[in-house]
Amino acid sequence: NAGVMQNPRHLVRRRGQEARLRCSPMKGHSHVYWYRQLPEEGLKFMVYLQKENIIDESGMPKERFSAEFPKEGPSILRIQQVVRGDSAAYFCASSPGEDYGYTFGSGTRLTVV
Amino acid sequence: GQQLNQSPQSMFIQEGEDVSMNCTSSSIFNTWLWYKQDPGEGPVLLIALYKAGELTSNGRLTAQFGITRKDSFLNISASIPSDVGIYFCAGENYGGSQGNLIFGKGTKLSVKP
Repeated sequence: NAGVMQNPRHLVRRRGQEARLRCSPMKGHSHVYWYRQLPEEGLKFMVYLQKENIIDESGMPKERFSAEFPKEGPSILRIQQVVRGDSAAYFCASSPGEDYGYTFGSGTRLTVV
Repeated sequence: GQQLNQSPQSMFIQEGEDVSMNCTSSSIFNTWLWYKQDPGEGPVLLIALYKAGELTSNGRLTAQFGITRKDSFLNISASIPSDVGIYFCAGENYGGSQGNLIFGKGTKLSVKP
């Protein structure tokens, strides 16, 4: 009965490279949320997806960031041409629908060098 | 945009003491949630509050949804060493999508045995 699985746990990228973060929701969950956490800060909402649809991307930076949740496979958060300011912990959460008790994964810690 | 002010930022207490922390906002929230985050992990939901005035307990934890919908508090009674961590409040963005939570900056709790 696995929880929300995120990989990799740690990711190091040089400036200008691409970062791909993966999130496999809990079994039976079709709603996925991505949040970003800077050091000493709370989590900031980025995007909410259902299978094959972006429901709310109001927290996504307009450039370089994109997210998808295909019919098959994990949700992907993609950051192109990373910069030092992208260094953060990125958390994914999933829920079966209208329930607010959604479950977070353990996060991917991105370091841009 | 909407913001949550969480206080105190940090607390150093003796094992066995009670703890109280709170969140306030100038905006109304539909739902208040309290999470705990351990180092290197994702937040774990402790208590969810859905109605103004609601008081809910989960073991040694008690939380209340303020009657004005603009605040919430969390109490921990008889603290133990494993209570150490960062506690976050979060509110549902009123009028936003269901997945769009606003997080406070956290209260870091340290417990001396």
